[in-house]
Amino acid sequence: LAKTTQPISMDSYEGQEVNITCSHNNIATNDYITWYQQFPSQGPRFIIQGYKTKVTNEVASLFIPADRKSSTLSLPRVSLSDTAVYYCLVQSPDMRFGAGTRLTVKP
Amino acid sequence: DTEVTQTPKHLVMGMTNKKSLKCEQHMGHRAMYWYKQKAKKPPELMFVYSYEKLSINESVPSRFSPECPNSSLLNLHLHALQPEDSALYLCASSHDGGRWETQYFGPGTRLLVL
Repeated sequence: LAKTTQPISMDSYEGQEVNITCSHNNIATNDYITWYQQFPSQGPRFIIQGYKTKVTNEVASLFIPADRKSSTLSLPRVSLSDTAVYYCLVQSPDMRFGAGTRLTVKP
Repeated sequence: DTEVTQTPKHLVMGMTNKKSLKCEQHMGHRAMYWYKQKAKKPPELMFVYSYEKLSINESVPSRFSPECPNSSLLNLHLHALQPEDSALYLCASSHDGGRWETQYFGPGTRLLVL
């Protein structure tokens, strides 16, 4: 099973770019990397998914190096409302959440 | 409509009670999931239904009994729970259970077992 490792917590300030890196050394060839965001007392919400190189949507960017053993979620210009837990998942073979990164955005 | 609804939002039950959690989606998804989440911990997969058939049971105790009456509905029947079963129970759905599908989560039911 592919296991993911993320920093337990991160602090940032409003307006800064935040990069959260996830390690997944045992990722399988056909696995995708997916990131979810979760606010307190709510269900996780899909942010972005990718297989290789770079993926960008209106919320975030996902950078995946050629060896795919890690990935970086980039949140541009964070605001207080981005304070949440961010989970990196590798669906190998079933979706299991890692510990997640608790991001705190300060004013 | 990308919404998954769960009822009730909160539930308090005694260890001898029988109760049920309900989940509903109208996105035409054919896979539905139950997760359990303890405070400050990640969600833990409990059950997966695909095309109304139970495809994954993560060795969940029999006091939790899932049911999928149709492709839009998912129930979790609770009986003789323990205080340590108190948690946020999350329901999710996806297209048909493929490994790379986005899962859409409901807001959860917060369960307290006394």
